[in-house]
Amino acid sequence: QQQVKQSPQSLIVQKGGIPIINCAYENTAFDYFPWYQQFPGKGPALLIAIRPDVSEKKEGRFTISFNKSAKQFSLHIMDSQPGDSATYFCAAGHSGGSNYKLTFGKGTLLTVNP
Amino acid sequence: DTEVTQTPKHLVMGMTNKKSLKCEQHMGHRAMYWYKQKAKKPPELMFVYSYEKLSINESVPSRFSPECPNSSLLNLHLHALQPEDSALYLCASSPRRIQETQYFGPGTRLLVL
Repeated sequence: QQQVKQSPQSLIVQKGGIPIINCAYENTAFDYFPWYQQFPGKGPALLIAIRPDVSEKKEGRFTISFNKSAKQFSLHIMDSQPGDSATYFCAAGHSGGSNYKLTFGKGTLLTVNP
Repeated sequence: DTEVTQTPKHLVMGMTNKKSLKCEQHMGHRAMYWYKQKAKKPPELMFVYSYEKLSINESVPSRFSPECPNSSLLNLHLHALQPEDSALYLCASSPRRIQETQYFGPGTRLLVL
């Protein structure tokens, strides 16, 4: 019940395309859903995050869509660029209690071709 | 400044060595984390410190020993490691007690021979 399932495992798009990465969760106690971007040899960087009280959040070219009833959320990258090529991790967390931690998806390797 | 720094960037050690990893943040964050990340895998939580006290230990072997000397500094002491402990070790911090927005450092790439 603590799992976050992420798909696809890898994704190749052309420059300007709109890659979509999907995540699904089971634990209804999760109330915080961040996305991290990680370049090779670097630490993950927080990209954007959403809470269940909104269905969509946009920051620049990155948009999270959230479907509470389906327990799914997804990342869309508008006008993708070769510099967006990285591994993307979704995560989920429960802010209540003292034992808080993030549960990560397995990651999606995105390649944006020029 | 949302920077978490980690030293060293790379570390090679033998199985009998003792070494330490260092993490520093000056954002006034009160929760700090150690993660281990293997290639092509997500980060795995190892330890969480909240207000300089160990709050979570994810059943990590005793050859890994964390230390939080003050609110800005986090160490991970390594002793008698195994080759399978080779990984990227990430430090992260978050603003409050144990809070959601975690900011990661660049990591230390560890190779155990």
